[in-house]
Amino acid sequence: GAGVSQSPSNKVTEKGKDVELRCDPISGHTALYWYRQSLGQGLEFLIYFQGNSAPDKSGLPSDRFSAERTGGSVSTLTIQRTQQEDSAVYLCASSGSSKNIQYFGAGTRLSVL
Amino acid sequence: GESVGLHLPTLSVQEGDNSIINCAYSNSASDYFIWYKQESGKGPQFIIDIRSNMDKRQGQRVTVLLNKTVKHLSLQIAATQPGDSAVYFCAETPGSSNTGKLIFGQGTTLQVKP
Repeated sequence: GAGVSQSPSNKVTEKGKDVELRCDPISGHTALYWYRQSLGQGLEFLIYFQGNSAPDKSGLPSDRFSAERTGGSVSTLTIQRTQQEDSAVYLCASSGSSKNIQYFGAGTRLSVL
Repeated sequence: GESVGLHLPTLSVQEGDNSIINCAYSNSASDYFIWYKQESGKGPQFIIDIRSNMDKRQGQRVTVLLNKTVKHLSLQIAATQPGDSAVYFCAETPGSSNTGKLIFGQGTTLQVKP
């Protein structure tokens, strides 16, 4: 595609429910990243994929968070038993050979009630 | 620990003036320092980066300066335009990692007055 696509753009859920967030990276980009951005804050790194493997998942805040990537393309971030503090914008990015230049999607705004 | 921070939360400038956005960092081992711009409702967009062995790098209307002595990074925007209004984030790459993991600062909001 032309850019990084994320879905849904908005998600409202109840505390305790599981949610899945999807990311479609730019075609041909082997590196994929997930970040979280709380209101008025900077971005917090969650996980990095190279192909289908995740060599750096150091930013996942708890074992309720997991992510996978299949076919070296689409990635899904899953949050189990959501809590109110999980409310944030979840951003996905992909990059080609220059990892400093990351192309971001518009994000998924997650609200946990 | 690793942290990247910005000196001012909001910067207001007149259209046509030059803008300077500052950033302080704490990790001397970072390999690259990067500036991103985020417009409302969008994801961040890469502006320019500078390697830790450089002092200055210029792009189109933007210049990044790196002062490793005082661990300070700045982004200069020449002839600021209304389209430059956004939140600007500095970021760094941890020196020991080649994963592309970026550590972001809190952001400075640039407001351009017509």
